[in-house]
Amino acid sequence: DTGVSQNPRHKITKRGQNVTFRCDPISEHNRLYWYRQTLGQGPEFLTYFQNEAQLEKSRLLSDRFSAERPKGSFSTLEIQRTEQGDSAMYLCASSLTPGQGATQPQHFGDGTRLSIL
Amino acid sequence: AQRVTQPEKLLSVFKGAPVELKCNYSYSGSPELFWYVQYSRQRLQLLLRHISRESIKGFTADLNKGETSFHLKKPFAQEEDSAMYYCALSFSGGYQKVTFGTGTKLQVIP
Repeated sequence: DTGVSQNPRHKITKRGQNVTFRCDPISEHNRLYWYRQTLGQGPEFLTYFQNEAQLEKSRLLSDRFSAERPKGSFSTLEIQRTEQGDSAMYLCASSLTPGQGATQPQHFGDGTRLSIL
Repeated sequence: AQRVTQPEKLLSVFKGAPVELKCNYSYSGSPELFWYVQYSRQRLQLLLRHISRESIKGFTADLNKGETSFHLKKPFAQEEDSAMYYCALSFSGGYQKVTFGTGTKLQVIP
């Protein structure tokens, strides 16, 4: 297993364009998370899925952002009408479902770096 | 709301010196605390978690609920420890939204 895979690694686009990122989790992991990381900050939670169900969305996730995980495997994160402030590293992570109440470690991908011109 | 504070953006120590990376948190419930590490040109990865009570790569961290701290310690720093370290918090009970601190860059000087 190569771990969590994210594509593309880098995306440069003009303001106002739509972008879509893909995340392929570790195959046996049924939880998948999206984070955003800007310079000098830690990862900020955006949303997460349990299989195909989106269980929580952060208030950081404006209406321009949408995430899907249609078959409970890979996930996509789309940003519509991109703005300068969307420039960041978008990280995906996956984990097993917690058992006996203990949090499961999250395994991160390399991220997609988005640059808005 | 939960919050994780890492007061130092950069910590420089000499090889062989002790290391302490500070982490304080605010959360009214019973948290789970983690340290994640990111080495140069590598992805973010879990270093250790408080419930495991283990030492990883010589690092340990003790959860102090009275002081709401989870400082990361190592008695003798090695050059390969140079990396970005993030303290993180999650609710206990399996609810897995994780809140990260802003990170501390550890620089070990040969």
